[in-house]
Amino acid sequence: GQQLNQSPQSMFIQEGEDVSMNCTSSSIFNTWLWYKQDPGEGPVLLIALYKAGELTSNGRLTAQFGITRKDSFLNISASIPSDVGIYFCAGQPQGGSEKLVFGKGTKLTVNP
Amino acid sequence: NAGVMQNPRHLVRRRGQEARLRCSPMKGHSHVYWYRQLPEEGLKFMVYLQKENIIDESGMPKERFSAEFPKEGPSILRIQQVVRGDSAAYFCASSLYRDSLQETQYFGPGTRLLVL
Repeated sequence: GQQLNQSPQSMFIQEGEDVSMNCTSSSIFNTWLWYKQDPGEGPVLLIALYKAGELTSNGRLTAQFGITRKDSFLNISASIPSDVGIYFCAGQPQGGSEKLVFGKGTKLTVNP
Repeated sequence: NAGVMQNPRHLVRRRGQEARLRCSPMKGHSHVYWYRQLPEEGLKFMVYLQKENIIDESGMPKERFSAEFPKEGPSILRIQQVVRGDSAAYFCASSLYRDSLQETQYFGPGTRLLVL
């Protein structure tokens, strides 16, 4: 089945630093989404990408849908303590139903 | 606007009992999805439903698990004769269809099932 390889698994950074994480797949995805999950909560949508090559920003967050439709990255600039959490990429595979396939997540720790 | 609502938030069952998880989609959303999350893992798709129809159940275990989304009321994920391996967080998401295109899925807070 389709799989998303998300990296890195975890990151430990200082407040104010920039962060970058990415997802890759061997198969094509029609949509890429980035979610953040806090402990004990459900995933919250950060950015949705619908077109190959699309670059979208949401405040300090920027994400891009790769040209090959097989990868995406998420950047967080000037990190703050409340950025702590687990970030998931998710995609809708080409030819599949509307189900989402999720990466395993990147756990972000921000030291003040 | 209320978001996706799930209850209970936490559910403890003994092996062999039944678990019923409920999900009320966002207002106006007619599509519901159920996902399961094991510790330290991403979410895994289980089932996709529209009102009174199961559209895709390719992620559902063949036995003991069932889902419904009736014309009135919440969507229900039912697990019969639970086993310890069913312990996980179960998330519901809902989406809107506009102009024949599915819009983004929004997730509820989840139900954490613990099987003793």
